[in-house]
Amino acid sequence: NAGVTQTPKFQVLKTGQSMTLQCAQDMNHEYMSWYRQDPGMGLRLIHYSVGAGITDQGEVPNGYNVSRSTTEDFPLRLLSAAPSQTSVYFCASSITPSSYNSPLHFGNGTRLTVT
Amino acid sequence: AQSVTQLGSHVSVSEGALVLLRCNYSSSVPPYLFWYVQYPNQGLQLLLKYTTGATLVKGINGFEAEFKKSETSFHLTKPSAHMSDAAEYFCAVSETSSASKIIFGSGTRLSIRP
Repeated sequence: NAGVTQTPKFQVLKTGQSMTLQCAQDMNHEYMSWYRQDPGMGLRLIHYSVGAGITDQGEVPNGYNVSRSTTEDFPLRLLSAAPSQTSVYFCASSITPSSYNSPLHFGNGTRLTVT
Repeated sequence: AQSVTQLGSHVSVSEGALVLLRCNYSSSVPPYLFWYVQYPNQGLQLLLKYTTGATLVKGINGFEAEFKKSETSFHLTKPSAHMSDAAEYFCAVSETSSASKIIFGSGTRLSIRP
């Protein structure tokens, strides 16, 4: 059972480039989310999804797009990368949208550097 | 909107000493509260959670936390620190009315002195 898989592990982009961070889970979780982790700021919620076809904004959604066409996958798109998006990105999932019922399962993160 | 404040970005204790990591929350409705732990180069793992019922919650690895509504606090404690407890700890909150949105604090790095 792989859990939550994030690819790539590391990525370097130039300002203005676009890319997609991949997240896949094999636990049939309805709920998936993206966080960014920055020193001294903890984890900040970017976008989340309570099921296929449903997405919503978190605390810091600007500059990021998401879609949820399947239960398993929740890609995060950066349309025009900026240095302020240099961060470690975590994808997390849980069994139900009512998160109190189950813990978040986290991937191992993607370290993104934008120069 | 809910928020979490963790007091102290870095806490250092001796092995065998009491661990106390502080967390205060803000929420307009009854909250759900969580503590997560992050070991180096890994994602986060759930330590414990408070939803309803008993205000003293026990988690894994000997940690526990007490929900105090009057103080809007959810401090994490462990009676005796072990070297393996060295990690970063995050307090998190979600509101019962919007349980899908989990907001994390800024984290506290716990160091253990031999």
